Amino acid sequence: GIQVEQSPPDLILQEGANSTLRCNFSDSVNNLQWFHQNPWGQLINLFYIPSGTKQNGRLSATTVATERYSLLYISSSQTTDSGVYFCAVGGYNQGGKLIFGQGTELSVKP
Amino acid sequence: KAGVTQTPRYLIKTRGQQVTLSCSPISGHRSVSWYQQTPGQGLQFLFEYFSETQRNKGNFPGRFSGRQFSNSRSEMNVSTLELGDSALYLCASSFGTGGGFIVEAFFGQGTRLTVV
Repeated sequence: GIQVEQSPPDLILQEGANSTLRCNFSDSVNNLQWFHQNPWGQLINLFYIPSGTKQNGRLSATTVATERYSLLYISSSQTTDSGVYFCAVGGYNQGGKLIFGQGTELSVKP
Repeated sequence: KAGVTQTPRYLIKTRGQQVTLSCSPISGHRSVSWYQQTPGQGLQFLFEYFSETQRNKGNFPGRFSGRQFSNSRSEMNVSTLELGDSALYLCASSFGTGGGFIVEAFFGQGTRLTVV
C-alpha cells in the first residue's frame, strides 16, 4: 500500500516565525489533505490539495503530484497554531480510504 | 450546515464487553469511513461504507465491524473488548460516488474509548 512520511516529526518555533512541513508519499494519489488536530482530538481540515497550490490566510500548501510530495507553509506563526499536523492521501480505486502520515507536532512559544 | 456528529464522545468499558459507536455524516454525504487513533500506531483506517455496503476494509480483526443505514448514518461495533482497543475512534464523511471517486473528507469530533 501507499506509504506516507511526514517531516519533521517535531518542530518548536518562536511566535512570528515561519515553517515548512513536508509530506512524501510513495505512489500516485487522487486525494491529499492536510489536517490540524485540535487538543480535543478533532481533525480540522486545512487543505484538500491533490495537486497545485492553495492559500488560506497565513497558511498555504503546494502538492507536486509528479514528484510525490506536498508542503504546508505556516507564516507568522501564532501560539494557536500549536498542535499536530497530519497529511493524508487516498489512492486510486481506494474509495474513501485515507492513509495518514505520523504527523508533525508543532509547538509555538510566545 | 451541520458537521459530522459522533456519539458518544467518551466511553469507559470493561474488558470482554462490546461497544457500539455512532456517526451521522454531513447531509448529502454517502461515504462514511472509520479510523482508530492510538499513540503507538497513529491513525489507521478501519473500514468504509458507501450506500449501505462496505466498500473497503483495513487490517483489523473481525471483532471490529460496522454497518450503514439507508440515511447514511453508520455504526461501528467492537466485540470482546481488549485493553489495546483503548483509542480515539474517528469517523469521516465525504461525498463519494459509486465509481469510487472521493473528494474532501470531513471528520467528526471522535469517540474516546477507554477499556479497563
